[in-house]
Amino acid sequence: KAGVTQTPRYLIKTRGQQVTLSCSPISGHRSVSWYQQTPGQGLQFLFEYFSETQRNKGNFPGRFSGRQFSNSRSEMNVSTLELGDSALYLCASSLQGIAGNTIYFGEGSWLTVV
Amino acid sequence: GQQLNQSPQSMFIQEGEDVSMNCTSSSIFNTWLWYKQDPGEGPVLLIALYKAGELTSNGRLTAQFGITRKDSFLNISASIPSDVGIYFCAGPQNSNSGYALNFGKGTSLLVTP
Repeated sequence: KAGVTQTPRYLIKTRGQQVTLSCSPISGHRSVSWYQQTPGQGLQFLFEYFSETQRNKGNFPGRFSGRQFSNSRSEMNVSTLELGDSALYLCASSLQGIAGNTIYFGEGSWLTVV
Repeated sequence: GQQLNQSPQSMFIQEGEDVSMNCTSSSIFNTWLWYKQDPGEGPVLLIALYKAGELTSNGRLTAQFGITRKDSFLNISASIPSDVGIYFCAGPQNSNSGYALNFGKGTSLLVTP
């Protein structure tokens, strides 16, 4: 059974640009959540999608957005990139959601903003 | 979100030693998850706990869901060099707008042969 797949694995962007990251959940999983990991702040929740709807959102500015497609694949977008957006972005999937379910992570997308 | 207090921050031990780390919160959790993360990789699920008092093992790893539902422990017995990595506790927390998965700051484990 394939795990959570994230693409691209590594990317470099310039300040002011925008970026789109993709996540394919484990087959049959309907919930996809996104996280930002930095050395200073650790792992922080961005948002969760379930059945194409955003169910919850963390404390991040509106530049961070996402969506989920009918096949449960998800994308997150960061617009007007800032240097501080450099981080490992992790996607996780679960059967029904964050509460009461086992949550599996992908390998992450490393974003460097220069 | 609610901060999970994870300790110790780091551990430097010899191969063969046992390791213990814990996570506490001022809020009640209904699920505790323990992950291990290797450099440059995503977190890998080690153990999931769903019931207060639950004690679950996965090979040399054992985790417990505290009876107060505000803490959890992870023990590694007879450590080996491949146990090196960062261990995170995590738990879903309900806010006004739904559930978010909150993490501890991690315990960095170094094992010398």
